[in-house]
Amino acid sequence: DAKTTQPTSMDCAEGRAANLPCNHSTISGNEYVYWYRQIHSQGPQYIIHGLKNNETNEMASLIITEDRKSSTLILPHATLRDTAVYYCIVLQYSSASKIIFGSGTRLSIRP
Amino acid sequence: GAVVSQHPSRVICKSGTSVKIECRSLDFQATTMFWYRQFPKKSLMLMATSNEGSKATYEQGVEKDKFLINHASLTLSTLTVTSAHPEDSSFYICSARDRDRGTATQYFGPGTRLTVL
Repeated sequence: DAKTTQPTSMDCAEGRAANLPCNHSTISGNEYVYWYRQIHSQGPQYIIHGLKNNETNEMASLIITEDRKSSTLILPHATLRDTAVYYCIVLQYSSASKIIFGSGTRLSIRP
Repeated sequence: GAVVSQHPSRVICKSGTSVKIECRSLDFQATTMFWYRQFPKKSLMLMATSNEGSKATYEQGVEKDKFLINHASLTLSTLTVTSAHPEDSSFYICSARDRDRGTATQYFGPGTRLTVL
């Protein structure tokens, strides 16, 4: 799997949009960009994924650059419950694909 | 949809005993499940890939005789930590991939906290 680079930590004010960047400059054409988050002492939670188009669901939006070398996860109105470690992962769709977690970004939402 | 459960959520055992952790996909079938371990303040580390009806594939450095994995059905995988020792104390998390969704998305269980005394 391609390597991703994320900031170690970020913080955001409650109610504001949280924008989490991820670099994946060696991504290949058939690899998807996935985002998961892990709230303290829980299992990771799937957020969103995309291939090359921007995606939006009830949790977040994913913006992928045209060259696919980077992406941004946007939480439109951050709440205290969004405090978590966010993982950006690139993953190929195949029966052999498996998620290898990096260090992620620790997002703190301040009141 | 796509719910994965684990049982038990936490377990305390004496050194030398074996502990079994169950991972179930509740509303989908999973030909592939994964087992991870997480130490405090560290990221998740993949231990093994569990395939229904076949032997698990272990990551480098993970002892297959110590961490026994069985994936007997499309909704259940078990991890048995044999002869547990205090250094095996950790947070164990499973995940499963939905066979019928046609994506690489994995859904994670809530985790099992193992404490070996």
